Amino acid sequence: QKEVEQDPGPLSVPEGAIVSLNCTYSNSAFQYFMWYRQYSRKGPELLMYTYSSGNKEDGRFTAQVDKSSKYISLFIRDSQPSDSATYLCAMSERDTGRRALTFGSGTRLQVQP
Amino acid sequence: KAGVTQTPRYLIKTRGQQVTLSCSPISGHRSVSWYQQTPGQGLQFLFEYFSETQRNKGNFPGRFSGRQFSNSRSEMNVSTLELGDSALYLCASSRTGGETGELFFGEGSRLTVL
Repeated sequence: QKEVEQDPGPLSVPEGAIVSLNCTYSNSAFQYFMWYRQYSRKGPELLMYTYSSGNKEDGRFTAQVDKSSKYISLFIRDSQPSDSATYLCAMSERDTGRRALTFGSGTRLQVQP
Repeated sequence: KAGVTQTPRYLIKTRGQQVTLSCSPISGHRSVSWYQQTPGQGLQFLFEYFSETQRNKGNFPGRFSGRQFSNSRSEMNVSTLELGDSALYLCASSRTGGETGELFFGEGSRLTVL
């Protein structure tokens, strides 16, 4: 079983829809939670970064972390065709010397105009 | 401000050969991490360097190695290439280190092993 599970999709939605992307994880030592967006033939770019549990909002994006359930989410409001990409969740530990990110497999999102 | 630059962008090698990939981090960033991305395994951590020292290493065989120079530029080397080494190799830099997740990725070097 992988440490981080993510539905690969593809997820197809109409323009303007609210998108919900999710990851579950098994390692309770994860403290930092991130969402990256990766366009085809590009490197991942950081969208959202959250420490521990709670919500964080940035424009049309909202990240939620529920450590008790080991579940994180990314919501995209008013989705646009330009949001079509692969979304990767990533996590890392703190204070264990493990300075490396563990990624989910990515969810491919298609926003139809 | 220039981003993370990786060279070469594409390369083709045959089994048994070796390859060296280069990464120039964002100016002022002292940490460089390397990741391998494949359709089957996704993004997997290879190693991380900070101030010319390897701080962390992922679960990859010894054929995968790297180094960092005093100007923070980094190289990774894969010896005795296998078909399964075909992947996108991504370099990421950060100011202090990868544990907070604020990594900035390059566009990658796509390696094909025939």
